[in-house]
Amino acid sequence: NAGVTQTPKFRILKIGQSMTLQCTQDMNHNYMYWYRQDPGMGLKLIYYSVGAGITDKGEVPNGYNVSRSTTEDFPLRLELAAPSQTSVYFCASSQGRWETQYFGPGTRLLVL
Amino acid sequence: AQKITQTQPGMFVQEKEAVTLDCTYDTSDQSYGLFWYKQPSSGEMIFLIYQGSYDEQNATEGRYSLNFQKARKSANLVISASQLGDSAMYFCAMREPRREGKLIFGQGTTLQVKP
Repeated sequence: NAGVTQTPKFRILKIGQSMTLQCTQDMNHNYMYWYRQDPGMGLKLIYYSVGAGITDKGEVPNGYNVSRSTTEDFPLRLELAAPSQTSVYFCASSQGRWETQYFGPGTRLLVL
Repeated sequence: AQKITQTQPGMFVQEKEAVTLDCTYDTSDQSYGLFWYKQPSSGEMIFLIYQGSYDEQNATEGRYSLNFQKARKSANLVISASQLGDSAMYFCAMREPRREGKLIFGQGTTLQVKP
């Protein structure tokens, strides 16, 4: 079973460039989340979605945008990359607010 | 404010021994969930165990058990019979359903299992 998949695995960006991190889940989960993990730290929530067409901000949304046009996909957009966005990005999904979140393998992003 | 605290940055344990990883939490809600995730050096986040705030029994999953002490607001992970493959970073996390199930993570504990 694929579960939650993320692409790319690793990316180097120059300051000011933009990119989209892809996240897809095949479990028909309603809830999806984007987290970032800085070195030696726990994860912090960037954005989340409770269903197609519904998104909301988490703890650290500045510099990011999301959309949710389908149940399966929840892409994260960086418009103007900054060195502070160097991090590992995890996408997660769950059936509902009471259910366990399952994580994708992560995307390592380096902004130089 | 909701908060998760893991006070042990690093731990060592001998293979086949048991180890306890500490986690304390702070919340004003009565309904919440507590999770432990494992992050090996490969980087993925692996779900280990879950405890609901209304669960009367401590959660167990194979060699993992959660020592839940609600009055003390602690949710320690106990790993029995440690294996070399248990060497990883371990994160405690709290979820509050009224906050759309968002997880708040602690800073993690690095566990190294010695042969």
